[in-house]
Amino acid sequence: GAVVSQHPSRVICKSGTSVKIECRSLDFQATTMFWYRQFPKQSLMLMATSNEGSKATYEQGVEKDKFLINHASLTLSTLTVTSAHPEDSSFYICSARAMGQGFYGYTFGSGTRLTVV
Amino acid sequence: DAKTTQPPSMDCAEGRAANLPCNHSTISGNEYVYWYRQIHSQGPQYIIHGLKNNETNEMASLIITEDRKSSTLILPHATLRDTAVYYCIVRGDTNAGKSTFGDGTTLTVKP
Repeated sequence: GAVVSQHPSRVICKSGTSVKIECRSLDFQATTMFWYRQFPKQSLMLMATSNEGSKATYEQGVEKDKFLINHASLTLSTLTVTSAHPEDSSFYICSARAMGQGFYGYTFGSGTRLTVV
Repeated sequence: DAKTTQPPSMDCAEGRAANLPCNHSTISGNEYVYWYRQIHSQGPQYIIHGLKNNETNEMASLIITEDRKSSTLILPHATLRDTAVYYCIVRGDTNAGKSTFGDGTTLTVKP
């Protein structure tokens, strides 16, 4: 089946530094990937839609200059948290759909736990 | 996406059926009902989806009422590994993949 890999699974960084999270579709191509954020004991919140070869679309309230998204190929999207602060500590999850699959073809990555100290 | 309402938590005895309800009274005709679950500190896992007919797969069954305003996810023989947060999502194919997750139901399967 379709597999989405996220890396790293956990990262701790110092306040003010940047962190890059990768989301890869391992056995399928995805023109669109989605990035979510989840705070403790809360639900997933969509941050942005990542489109291969074009600019990402951000949800209201999400700072595009802080959360840089690059979808340079059909199998890779990256989310860079720039100048991270402790309030950016969260669980970040990506999802993707295989081209040509039906509605059920949305696969989620295993998530990245970011801790900013 | 239509708004969904789920109970915040449910318990189920191991080996028994778990029935998780979801209300989606504002669902429109072209919107599907999806169920995902999220085990602690993992990404969501697709379970099942349906439009108006009942559906069954190797993981679960989905019962959708005739007016489509509510549905029930059934795990026929719950195991401890089914303990998770279960999300009911209603979504059409436009903006495909852009899912709005509600608060979900925390299912705890007890021995």
